[in-house]
Amino acid sequence: QLQVQESGPGLVKPSETLSLTCTVSSASISSSDYCWGWIRQSPGEGLVWIGSMSFRGITYYNPSLKNRVTVSVDTSKTHFSLRLSSVTAADTAVYYCATSPCITCGMDVWGQGTTVTVSS
Amino acid sequence: QSVLSQPPSASGTPGQRVTISCSGSISNIGSRAVNWYQQVPGTAPKLLIYGNNQRPSGVPDRFSGSKSGTSASLAISGLQSEDEATYYCSGWDDSLNGRVVFGGGTKLTVL
Repeated sequence: QLQVQESGPGLVKPSETLSLTCTVSSASISSSDYCWGWIRQSPGEGLVWIGSMSFRGITYYNPSLKNRVTVSVDTSKTHFSLRLSSVTAADTAVYYCATSPCITCGMDVWGQGTTVTVSS
Repeated sequence: QSVLSQPPSASGTPGQRVTISCSGSISNIGSRAVNWYQQVPGTAPKLLIYGNNQRPSGVPDRFSGSKSGTSASLAISGLQSEDEATYYCSGWDDSLNGRVVFGGGTKLTVL
């Protein structure tokens, strides 16, 4: 049973870069069966898609975050990552990683989420 | 402002049938499949419906999805107290080089 789990610092200073990792178990990131994505949810707000990577390694980003976000796959193929630069308090949120069978498909496996607070 | 539009709230009594609407455009719902997620407070979203009307394994058949043109609906029949949650519609949007879009979410209250 495929599982994913987010990890990373819970506190990031303004203007710094937020870096999160999504560890994948019971599957290979290099598999053509999965695509990988990041979603966030600010306190009391709805879901916001951040970005995704197809099994071919093509990345897609939320246009409102595109200039600051990078989704990548670790060369060891055991996890994928999110980097969000120049963070502000508006980036404070619960961050989820998730997988889907294809880039346009529903995301059927989610991590439990990790809370990131941007504050000095 | 979300790309997909949902009513912010809905309610029903146990046993009742409730529907939640989701409105989009030709670049998303009008040409792509719709997915629905259920989120209970304090937990991660759960895929409830994919491909407009398909249920993942383990999702009760009380939940059903449909799509017509640029709109979609989620129906919950035989409403139960455990269905109290926020429901999000979502899908792929072909504009702006391709992106995943979500509705703003509908908070369902079981009275």
